[in-house]
Amino acid sequence: DADVTQTPRNRITKTGKRIMLECSQTKGHDRMYWYRQDPGLGLQLIYYSFDVKDINKGEISDGYSVSRQAQAKFSLSLESAIPNQTALYFCATKGTTTDTQYFGPGTRLTVL
Amino acid sequence: GENVEQHPSTLSVQEGDSAVIKCTYSDSASNYFPWYKQELGKGPQLIIDIRSNVGEKKDQRIAVTLNKTAKHFSLHITETQPEDSAVYFCAASIKSGGYQKVTFGIGTKLQVIP
Repeated sequence: DADVTQTPRNRITKTGKRIMLECSQTKGHDRMYWYRQDPGLGLQLIYYSFDVKDINKGEISDGYSVSRQAQAKFSLSLESAIPNQTALYFCATKGTTTDTQYFGPGTRLTVL
Repeated sequence: GENVEQHPSTLSVQEGDSAVIKCTYSDSASNYFPWYKQELGKGPQLIIDIRSNVGEKKDQRIAVTLNKTAKHFSLHITETQPEDSAVYFCAASIKSGGYQKVTFGIGTKLQVIP
């Protein structure tokens, strides 16, 4: 079973729609992250959370919001999707005693 | 902030040959350098990492070298196999306000030709 799961894996939506991407982990890690991947740009940090009550903006948080419903769940929302938010989105987790981040399989989002 | 440059963006090698991917970083305070492999349809997976107090680390066919003075680090894959074909990302990590900030390179698409 995968340690970090993301749903949905693929999503096509229209401009202006609200959409939520979900991430769950069974690794017991406190820290969770949302990244966006665009061709030629690597991975850019959107939001990160150290625990349920600690949420922080990353490099490109505009247009996004997050919710940490439990230690194991971290959701990313696009309140009003726009075409330039078309990208591959990854969730990642990290324990407090390691520097290694563990990534989910990704969600491919297309905004028409 | 930290800036990580990665070269080349694409690399094709014959099976059995070696592959080298190079990265440079800008902030001398960076102290942790992971390398990730991303296969098609999957998320990045850590394959090897190195800390700033070490110059070289090896794990079977994969090795990473770090030159702190020049602020560059490299991934070496020997005896390449078709299953090594993937996108490889380097990253540099630095502590910033209690948070370990990770900056990724843009990725190198490696193709191993059978």
